[in-house]
Amino acid sequence: DVKVTQSSRYLVKRTGEKVFLECVQDMDHENMFWYRQDPGLGLRLIYFSYDVKMKEKGDIPEGYSVSREKKERFSLILESASTNQTSMYLCASSLEAGGANEKLFFGSGTQLSVL
Amino acid sequence: KQEVTQIPAALSVPEGENLVLNCSFTDSAIYNLQWFRQDPGKGLTSLLLIQSSQREQTSGRLNASLDKSSGRSTLYIAASQPGDSATYLCAPWGTNDYKLSFGAGTTVTVRA
Repeated sequence: DVKVTQSSRYLVKRTGEKVFLECVQDMDHENMFWYRQDPGLGLRLIYFSYDVKMKEKGDIPEGYSVSREKKERFSLILESASTNQTSMYLCASSLEAGGANEKLFFGSGTQLSVL
Repeated sequence: KQEVTQIPAALSVPEGENLVLNCSFTDSAIYNLQWFRQDPGKGLTSLLLIQSSQREQTSGRLNASLDKSSGRSTLYIAASQPGDSATYLCAPWGTNDYKLSFGAGTTVTVRA
């Protein structure tokens, strides 16, 4: 089974701090994604990556950046955390970009609180 | 931009009843459509994937149908159990933007 591991289950940070959220997948997947999930707003795509060192903006990239130095690891960076970035962050991966039989596999999520 | 709507937003049924969850989407140019389950405070688990060329997909008590031309998918859960209580999300994978777009989900409560 595919395993997508997010390094922290809960995080509490202060406004202005630089925050790193780490995600690792163990199935040699090409694609990795970062979403945030908020009540009433559903899942929204922040950034995604189709290959090492490649990144694409999703629907809400403002205030975030990403890093993919190795295929298995995709990091989400909050350059200067703000209270409106308090949210559940979900990482996901898939083998290829799209495709009729392409499944998306999710990590367990990181609940980030910015005080 | 793909818009995904799930109706109803919440559903409460007694154990043993069949569940019908609806999903509609605006752009029919999709690779596939996936149904996910999410338990409170947890990540998403993939339940079923229907390819764009398929009409339905079954797994145990779950059956999902897809009518791509009308932009609709339905998830049926037979003989519901309390363990089915969760939020169910549908997500078509678009061929134009190469990404999944999620609905807000249907929160199901199955009463024992």
